[in-house]
Amino acid sequence: GQQVMQIPQYQHVQEGEDFTTYCNSSTTLSNIQWYKQRPGGHPVFLIQLVKSGEVKKQKRLTFQFGEAKKNSSLHITATQTTDVGTYFCAGPPRAGYALNFGKGTSLLVTP
Amino acid sequence: DTAVSQTPKYLVTQMGNDKSIKCEQNLGHDTMYWYKQDSKKFLKIMFSYNNKELIINETVPNRFSPKSPDKAHLNLHINSLELGDSAVYFCASSQGTGGRAFFGQGTRLTVV
Repeated sequence: GQQVMQIPQYQHVQEGEDFTTYCNSSTTLSNIQWYKQRPGGHPVFLIQLVKSGEVKKQKRLTFQFGEAKKNSSLHITATQTTDVGTYFCAGPPRAGYALNFGKGTSLLVTP
Repeated sequence: DTAVSQTPKYLVTQMGNDKSIKCEQNLGHDTMYWYKQDSKKFLKIMFSYNNKELIINETVPNRFSPKSPDKAHLNLHINSLELGDSAVYFCASSQGTGGRAFFGQGTRLTVV
């Protein structure tokens, strides 16, 4: 079955440094979604990418979808303490199926 | 108004007991899910359900059963609880299976 892998598993940065998490799927994805889960909270949707090579920005966050639609990345510029949490990528193994989540990247930002 | 609400938030119970977790969504979505998040934060799909079809992750023990009285509710019933069932269980909903998911606050289940 489909596997969604994320690296790194953990990242500890100083406030102001940049951060990137990478996501790879074993199969081609119809779309990829990114979620953020704050400590003690629930996953919250950030964005969905659909097109091959798509790039989307949300303030300091930049999301990319690979040309082959099998990988994606999330880049945060100049991290802040409010960025702390676990970032998950997720994609349906095929159309009409529930999202499979990567194992997430836990980001810790120290002031 | 909470879009996806689940109760209880915390559940502590003994091995062998049967328990249920309730979930309701007021978003008018046609699909609901149950996910299990273990201590390593891995989110694993257990069930997805819409009006027409229940899809069960083959790795889920048959002690777990979803029950949907109507489109807005998907409850999770667990029989003969085991220590390994301890986890956070999230209910979620979306419009169309695999669409943007809205998660509930989670239920932390501890089996002792």
